[in-house]
Amino acid sequence: EPEVTQTPSHQVTQMGQEVILRCVPISNHLYFYWYRQILGQKVEFLVSFYNNEISEKSEIFDDQFSVERPDGSNFTLKIRSTKLEDSAMYFCASSHGAWANEQFFGPGTRLTVL
Amino acid sequence: SQQGEEDPQALSIQEGENATMNCSYKTSINNLQWYRQNSGRGLVHLILIRSNEREKHSGRLRVTLDTSKKSSSLLITASRAADTASYFCATDARYAGGTSYGKLTFGQGTILTVHP
Repeated sequence: EPEVTQTPSHQVTQMGQEVILRCVPISNHLYFYWYRQILGQKVEFLVSFYNNEISEKSEIFDDQFSVERPDGSNFTLKIRSTKLEDSAMYFCASSHGAWANEQFFGPGTRLTVL
Repeated sequence: SQQGEEDPQALSIQEGENATMNCSYKTSINNLQWYRQNSGRGLVHLILIRSNEREKHSGRLRVTLDTSKKSSSLLITASRAADTASYFCATDARYAGGTSYGKLTFGQGTILTVHP
């Protein structure tokens, strides 16, 4: 069964460093998403991406964040200058359509900012 | 309460019993999805119910949706120890004109413990 994959599974970085989190969505899906979950808290939406552009983003997704689909298979989330409060589990998800379509999540990347 | 609030926050049952979890939300939705998360792991999609549906089944799972009350329930029948996990509802809000970009809003989740 097709699944969303994410690398790395765990990333440790120093405050102020740039990190890139990578995702390979399910191959025939057209909509891509990033969410994050701070330890013990709710899963929070960051951004949705369709047709090579951002469809919607949350207040969390400020100028320090960017997303890219550099080729036909990868979808990346870049944090330019990490802060301590960026420490969280980051989930990539994909769906075939936006409306009334199941979103399938990857296993997550645990980002630890020291 | 916030969009996608589940109750109870924690539920402890014996293997073989049924588990019912509830979710309430505030805005109009296109669909509601239930997910399972084992400790520290990814989110596993369980079931999606559309706003024009009232009930859906998948194996031992039964989901209901009452849009007039803005609530949903997830029933797991004949629970097993392997069902121990956190369960989340997530809503896909319907914006003006019925549009949606797929943004899901998650609740805090129900922690289900099934004792062997």
